[in-house]
Formats: sequence, C-alpha cells, structure tokens
Amino acid sequence: NAGVTQTPKFQVLKTGQSMTLQCAQDMNHEYMSWYRQDPGMGLRLIHYSVGAGITDQGEVPNGYNVSRSTTEDFPLRLLSAAPSQTSVYFCASSYAAGYGYTFGSGTRLTVV
Amino acid sequence: GESVGLHLPTLSVQEGDNSIINCAYSNSASDYFIWYKQESGKGPQFIIDIRSNMDKRQGQRVTVLLNKTVKHLSLQIAATQPGDSAVYFCAENIRGNTPLVFGKGTRLSVIA
Repeated sequence: NAGVTQTPKFQVLKTGQSMTLQCAQDMNHEYMSWYRQDPGMGLRLIHYSVGAGITDQGEVPNGYNVSRSTTEDFPLRLLSAAPSQTSVYFCASSYAAGYGYTFGSGTRLTVV
Repeated sequence: GESVGLHLPTLSVQEGDNSIINCAYSNSASDYFIWYKQESGKGPQFIIDIRSNMDKRQGQRVTVLLNKTVKHLSLQIAATQPGDSAVYFCAENIRGNTPLVFGKGTRLSVIA
C-alpha cells in the first residue's frame, strides 16, 4: 500500500516553462487536494477535488490547473511557470471531507 | 483571513518533559480538528484528531484537548523525545464539504 505518491521529488524550471506535478493514491479516497508550502506561510490550498470529474479552487489557484479524470490521479499543471511559484507542493487525499488527510512526500519546485 | 492560528511559533523543551502546543480557531462552525507533525523534508503526518462532540482524546503519548467555549485546541506530548522535534500544525474542518484549513505551525525543539 503506497499511500499518496508524488512525482517528481525535485524540479527546476525556467520562467515560462510548463510542467505537470503528478499525484496518485491507491486508497480509493474520494477527496484530493493540492497545497503549497512557503516559509512562514503554512499550507495554502491551491485546488481540491471531492471526486472524479469535480474540482474546485482553493485559496491560491492562479497559475495552476487541475483535472480529476480518475479517482486515483490528481495532476497539477503549471501553464507558464513564474518565480513566485517556487515552493514545496504537497498532494493530500482523504476518504471524504471531515476526515484526516494523508499527505505525499512533496515536490520541491524552483523556478529561475 | 486566517481561521486557525497558533499562540507560540517556537517551543523548546527538555527531553523527558511534557510539551504543550496551542492553537486558536475562530470559526465556531468547525466540527473536526486534526494535529499534524512535519519533519524536515517530509510531508505532514497525521497525529491525532478530535470531533467537536468531544473535549479530550488520547493516543500514544499524545492528548488533544478541545475547549469550544474559548475556541482553543491543544496538543500535549508526554515525555518528549528527540524524535518529537518537528513542526506541528493544527487544522480545522468547517461543517460541509470543505477542505481543511491549516494553521502556520509551531516548531518544537527537544533539548537532550
């Protein structure tokens, strides 16, 4: 049982490049979300999904897109990377809203 | 605005002593609370949770206390060990299908 798997673990992008951060869970969780973590800012919600085919914006959605075509996968897309998107990104999943999240190990992204 | 916050950003304790980490929340509609531990370079790890119909819950060496009257949550760690050194986050879930809201975190440093 792998839990929540995030890839890649580290990534360096040039300004304007695009990329997709992958997130997969094998716990049959309906609820998935993406957070970014910056020093002194805690965890800020980017996008979340309550089930396949349903996504919604969080606190800081600008510059990011998501889709949820399957229960297992919830990729996060950066369309045109900016230095302000340098951060550590965490994917999390849970059985449903109102239950504890299981987090992945994170992706450390640097945009130069 | 920030719905979940912490009284102390850093806490240093002697090995073997008990630790108390505090958290204030402002949303009276919140009905589920979780404490997470995050070690350096890792994703947050679930420690313990409590629902609003309880005021105390115990785990292995950890206890969470909920005071709904003053909207206060605390995490008590008994016989603190060097492995407890980490950042601790509280999180709350407002009733309904909404994501968790995280506080900014408290860093616990255990002095050997």
